[in-house]
Amino acid sequence: LAKTTQPISMDSYEGQEVNITCSHNNIATNDYITWYQQFPSQGPRFIIQGYKTKVTNEVASLFIPADRKSSTLSLPRVSLSDTAVYYCLVGAYNAGNMLTFGGGTRLMVKP
Amino acid sequence: KAGVTQTPRYLIKTRGQQVTLSCSPISGHRSVSWYQQTPGQGLQFLFEYFSETQRNKGNFPGRFSGRQFSNSRSEMNVSTLELGDSALYLCASSPTGGSGNTIYFGEGSWLTVV
Repeated sequence: LAKTTQPISMDSYEGQEVNITCSHNNIATNDYITWYQQFPSQGPRFIIQGYKTKVTNEVASLFIPADRKSSTLSLPRVSLSDTAVYYCLVGAYNAGNMLTFGGGTRLMVKP
Repeated sequence: KAGVTQTPRYLIKTRGQQVTLSCSPISGHRSVSWYQQTPGQGLQFLFEYFSETQRNKGNFPGRFSGRQFSNSRSEMNVSTLELGDSALYLCASSPTGGSGNTIYFGEGSWLTVV
């Protein structure tokens, strides 16, 4: 699975848009990019997944440039409840579902 | 549709004992994987089962084992518990585990070894 690099932490304020960028220089052709959110003492929650260009759902957008060597998770108008750790994962999930989690980005949303 | 269900949610065991954790995947999902999360090591892959067969295994000692039943429900077992086994154990499921599959996690089982 491709190694990912993301900022260790980020601070934001309520109502702002937050963009978290993940670097994955050795992404493979058939790799998908997936983002998870995790609150303390809970399992990771799926946010969004994409392969190329832009994907949007009810909670976030995922921007993937043409070379796919990075991706950006965009959270519109964050609230205090968005304070969590965000993980970027890259992988084709070939037989085994062996996800490799990095350290994630700790997002702190302030009032 | 119900999510991934793990039981028990919390448990305390003594060193040397063994523990069994249970996981019910999302209906229709046939791939079940297990992860260990600790403050020091983060989230680490334990093993994955598909159609009752273990397809992949992480770098954990043989004390960690698992199995999957014909209804896709899975259990993991840790024998001869050590203090370092205290962790959040997460189960995740996906339809087949193939490319593009979305993997969903349960809330986890908190194990404390004293």
